[in-house]
Amino acid sequence: EVQLVESGGGLVRPGGSLRLSCAASGFTFSTYTMNWVRQAPGKGLEWVSSISSNSNHIYYADSLKGRFTISRDNAKNSLYLQMNSLRAEDTGVYYCARDHAPYNYNDFDAFDIWGQGTTVTVSS
Amino acid sequence: DIVMTQSPHSLAVSLGERATINCKSSQSVLYSSNNKNYLAWYQQKPGQPPKLLIYWASTRESGVPDRFSGSGSGTDFTLTISSLQAEDVALYYCHQYYSSPLTFGPGTKVDIK
Repeated sequence: EVQLVESGGGLVRPGGSLRLSCAASGFTFSTYTMNWVRQAPGKGLEWVSSISSNSNHIYYADSLKGRFTISRDNAKNSLYLQMNSLRAEDTGVYYCARDHAPYNYNDFDAFDIWGQGTTVTVSS
Repeated sequence: DIVMTQSPHSLAVSLGERATINCKSSQSVLYSSNNKNYLAWYQQKPGQPPKLLIYWASTRESGVPDRFSGSGSGTDFTLTISSLQAEDVALYYCHQYYSSPLTFGPGTKVDIK
């Protein structure tokens, strides 16, 4: 079964850090661009970051201003999001999502597989 | 940045009737070299992650019922549910993946009348 499972969320004080992980199974992880998308409580979807299969192409939402770092370990079938200098507005559910097609080196794509999400709460 | 807008914000449709959701992008998401519209539609139910319904503006994802269809090109797109079922009550989002930053519409809530 194709599956993505996020972990690492929790309660953190403003200015703190968290590292989210996403464990992939059931597909050849190393061939897919992977993404993080977040959703604030009661709000819509917001794209956070994307990383190509070979980590050569990385993109971030402008609003993150260098606070977040996406990475992956293809040997471990895992995607990561290091989040620093966290703010209250970073609170929400963080989803990892897979690009629809493999070997997509030069294009963006729709997201066909999503994890259940991990909740990040930034509060004092 | 490409701004995505959706209309209406919410709609209520009788069971078996048609539901139509519109999505507009602030600039074209049609890539001329391959003639593809970089536009997707997702369905999200409470407490669940989004589910991909439509990609390339009109290609139905595997396993998605054929009552769901997508149309449009350039900057104007439509998601149609031809015969609303109870299980279709959800939020629906359009998404452009033409350029970074990738952006989503604000969502349209579909309910039963």
